[in-house]
Amino acid sequence: KNQVEQSPQSLIILEGKNCTLQCNYTVSPFSNLRWYKQDTGRGPVSLTIMTFSENTKSNGRYTATLDADTKQSSLHITASQLSDSASYICVVRGNQGGKLIFGQGTELSVKP
Amino acid sequence: GAGVSQSPSNKVTEKGKDVELRCDPISGHTALYWYRQSLGQGLEFLIYFQGNSAPDKSGLPSDRFSAERTGGSVSTLTIQRTQQEDSAVYLCASSLGASGGVNQETQYFGPGTRLLVL
Repeated sequence: KNQVEQSPQSLIILEGKNCTLQCNYTVSPFSNLRWYKQDTGRGPVSLTIMTFSENTKSNGRYTATLDADTKQSSLHITASQLSDSASYICVVRGNQGGKLIFGQGTELSVKP
Repeated sequence: GAGVSQSPSNKVTEKGKDVELRCDPISGHTALYWYRQSLGQGLEFLIYFQGNSAPDKSGLPSDRFSAERTGGSVSTLTIQRTQQEDSAVYLCASSLGASGGVNQETQYFGPGTRLLVL
């Protein structure tokens, strides 16, 4: 069964600190991997998208990495801000049409 | 430029009633997706449309759930004889296409409809 597993489930950090969120997947064949940010009460918003040939992609203070060999991705947040508090969702698309497979998300809380 | 809109934003209904949830995708987006997100859970795929047809409806949890899309635009998700376990946020997303590269496939989400079945 295709799976996307994220860790940790939740994370609390102090404002200004860095953090790294993990995503492991077993989806095969693999097309691309996305990280979404979902604020409470809002729909998810795309942060990064990477294909299997890309190792890293940055979007401001967010940097995603991908190791297609080990089927692992990480999202690194630098100099966290209070507004980074949200759920971060890893999403993998296989080569099987439009369906995306979502991870459970990591709930990040940034405290002052 | 309008994004994906959904209505109603909140819906409270009694068990056994039927509900209709509406999604207006971004203009020009041919692909439309419905997801369900239960409290504390990840997003669960329900169905997606390419134009007016639904190539993949494998995520619909039971025959009480149905969806249609008309004119390649607005979509309606209908839940018949609602049950308490149907309570969730129902999210709609649209993309330029369902394939053709990451730019075509990037999904833009609406704010969701929060459904509570009492």
